[in-house]
Amino acid sequence: DQQVKQNSPSLSVQEGRISILNCDYTNSMFDYFLWYKKYPAEGPTFLISISSIKDKNEDGRFTVFLNKSAKHLSLHIVPSQPGDSAVYFCAASAPGTYKYIFGTGTRLKVLA
Amino acid sequence: NAGVTQTPKFRILKIGQSMTLQCTQDMNHNYMYWYRQDPGMGLKLIYYSVGAGITDKGEVPNGYNVSRSTTEDFPLRLELAAPSQTSVYFCASSPQALCTFGSGTRLTVV
Repeated sequence: DQQVKQNSPSLSVQEGRISILNCDYTNSMFDYFLWYKKYPAEGPTFLISISSIKDKNEDGRFTVFLNKSAKHLSLHIVPSQPGDSAVYFCAASAPGTYKYIFGTGTRLKVLA
Repeated sequence: NAGVTQTPKFRILKIGQSMTLQCTQDMNHNYMYWYRQDPGMGLKLIYYSVGAGITDKGEVPNGYNVSRSTTEDFPLRLELAAPSQTSVYFCASSPQALCTFGSGTRLTVV
């Protein structure tokens, strides 16, 4: 039972273009969502988050959009840079649990 | 500030052996977690703890045990290693929302 799904295992984008990574969830109780970036042989590092009371959150080149009715969130990276090449995980938690459920990840490759 | 420290970084175990993966954090975070990442898969929650003396099962707890006697330490115990436990294990901690991860322990069971 995969409660958080990232249906695209990989994505390639040209440098300078927009990268869009998608994430779907099934549990309507989830109210907090995070994106993590992971380089090989390192632990995941936090990128950006969004609460269910918002539908958009921006931090520099990174924007997360949340569509609660569709149970869908997306991460936009503009402009994409070669250093953004990594595996991106979305994660979700339900109120008061602080138990994060992760998706399977999307490997982003930004081509110079 | 070291953050979350995991030891060892690599380990090869024989089937049936036991070992403890160590995790310590110096950020005074209440919440701590153990995840495993299998090739091509996401992070699966094994166990988590909301404070010293309190632990709870995650998505894939079978074959593992944990304890949380102090705020800083959250060791993960494998009692009878099986090939299915070959994975990369990540420990994480958080004050409430954002997790800080360690760099992982790569475990191979042969």
